[in-house]
Formats: sequence, structure tokens, C-alpha cells
Amino acid sequence: KQEVTQIPAALSVPEGENLVLNCSFTDSAIYNLQWFRQDPGKGLTSLLLIQSSQREQTSGRLNASLDKSSGRSTLYIAASQPGDSATYLCAVKFGNEKLTFGTGTRLTIIP
Amino acid sequence: DTAVSQTPKYLVTQMGNDKSIKCEQNLGHDTMYWYKQDSKKFLKIMFSYNNKELIINETVPNRFSPKSPDKAHLNLHINSLELGDSAVYFCASSQRWASGNTGELFFGEGSRLTVL
Repeated sequence: KQEVTQIPAALSVPEGENLVLNCSFTDSAIYNLQWFRQDPGKGLTSLLLIQSSQREQTSGRLNASLDKSSGRSTLYIAASQPGDSATYLCAVKFGNEKLTFGTGTRLTIIP
Repeated sequence: DTAVSQTPKYLVTQMGNDKSIKCEQNLGHDTMYWYKQDSKKFLKIMFSYNNKELIINETVPNRFSPKSPDKAHLNLHINSLELGDSAVYFCASSQRWASGNTGELFFGEGSRLTVL
């Protein structure tokens, strides 16, 4: 069964610290992996998309890595800010074309 | 603004009623999706259309009927609403390539359905 797991479910970090969010998936035959953030009561905002042939993508203070062989992706956030507080979701597009979401990590940046 | 837009944003209705949610994207994408986010915030795909053709149909009660009049629109009609249908429904779109892979997925703001 194709599953996506995000641990921990919640994380609190003091402002200014660097942090890493984790995503693991059960099937290495993937098309791509995408990281999103969701603010309370809002839709999902795409952060980074990594194709299966890529190992990482960067956008500003965000860096996402992909290791298909171990079934893992990480989202690195540098110099965290209170505005980074949100739920971060990892989604994997498996070979059967279905995009499967993890349960998310709720991040709180403490001022 | 280029975006995925869905209406209504909020919908409160009685059990047994029929309701529709509309979605439109002006991103020029050829693939659209409906996702359901339950009370535990878990997102699960319901349907996907590529160029008006149904390509993903998850195990969803047949009270849910999607309709895609063109590749920029994907509507969701729900018959005989039940309490368990209460959730946030998200529309999304992306571009699909010949390989079956897709580009970045863009989401609408969601439609919160409450069934009383």
C-alpha cells in the first residue's frame, strides 16, 4: 500500500532557529514529491516540487531534498520566522498517478 | 488574478438535500482534481479529470458526481447529503504530461460543507 507519513505531527521552535521537517513514503517508484503549507481555514500553497530525477530544490529560505532509495524527503527551513507557522504537508505522486498526502506537521514558531 | 477559484466558500445545508460546488482555473492546466479534507485535516483525492475525461475515481459514494464541461471547469454535485459528508472540499489543477507525470499542483481556497 502506498503511504506517506510525516513525523512529528506537531513541532514548536524558537524564532531564528533552522529546522527540518520529515516526510517518508513506502514506494520508491514515484513521479514527484511536492511540499505545501496550509494556514488555518485556508487552501494549500505550493512551496516546492521535486521531480523524481532531482535530489533537491531551493526557494528562498526553503530547501527540499529527495532520497527515493530510502523513501524520504526533508524540508529545511532556515532562520525561522513567526510567519512560517502553519501546517506543512508533503504529497507524493506515485506511479499510478495518484497524489497521496501525508497527515502534515503543524509548525509553531515561538517569537 | 491567475488562480483556482471555487464557489461557494461556505455551504450549510440539511441532510437529504442536493448541492453543487463549482471550480474554475485560469492557469491553462489540463487536469483538475477534487480532494476532501476531513475533520482530522487528512486530504484524500476523490476525482481527477484530464481534458474533460475522468482518469481517477476513488472509492467515493455514487451520490458524488463530478462534471467537467471543459478543461477549465470541474464541478462537484452531491445528492442526498449525509452528516458524514461534512468536510472541506478542495479543487486543484495541474498540467499533465504524456508520461503521466504532472507539474506543480495548485489548490483553490476550499469549500466548507456543513450538513445538519
